[in-house]
Amino acid sequence: GAVVSQHPSWVICKSGTSVKIECRSLDFQATTMFWYRQFPKQSLMLMATSNEGSKATYEQGVEKDKFLINHASLTLSTLTVTSAHPEDSSFYICSATGTAFYEQYFGPGTRLTVT
Amino acid sequence: DQQVKQNSPSLSVQEGRISILNCDYTNSMFDYFLWYKKYPAEGPTFLISISSIKDKNEDGRFTVFLNKSAKHLSLHIVPSQPGDSAVYFCAAYGGSQGNLIFGKGTKLSVKP
Repeated sequence: GAVVSQHPSWVICKSGTSVKIECRSLDFQATTMFWYRQFPKQSLMLMATSNEGSKATYEQGVEKDKFLINHASLTLSTLTVTSAHPEDSSFYICSATGTAFYEQYFGPGTRLTVT
Repeated sequence: DQQVKQNSPSLSVQEGRISILNCDYTNSMFDYFLWYKKYPAEGPTFLISISSIKDKNEDGRFTVFLNKSAKHLSLHIVPSQPGDSAVYFCAAYGGSQGNLIFGKGTKLSVKP
């Protein structure tokens, strides 16, 4: 149980375009989902916390207008990277809390490369 | 200000021996501590957790020890297997934050 999927797993886009990443909880309802970013050899950096039906809470330094997060249902959250630039290239990972509120289950991640 | 610290970026252990991964924290309000395992280009996988009211939790080959007075926890893997080679993240939850605070990770290499 507690499976989280992400789609796509890998995407290449041109600078200036937008990319949408989906995060789904497959076998449980996730009231809260989280979006992380990981740079090479670095820890997971929390970008935002997403609660179903409400606006996401962004961490300091994360641009709300650039990283649009929508949590429309209890099983789906999306992250849209708008007007992507090469410096946005990274590994984006989502997670969702299950019945144990302190345990997060992570998706497999999405590798974004902006050319 | 790093609230969760993993001071060893890497650890190498022989197969069959014990692996000990360490983690220190600064916030005494943390309620739960968790260990995640991560392979390259994959999301972290939950391994084991411990409540702040306990000092030990065991699950198969994995045991987590918590020393609240020292604000220190450790993950023991015994016996270590080559498939355990991965990056291990320590994380803490609680206080006023509703999210996990992660350490920077320790890369474990288990040699056959």
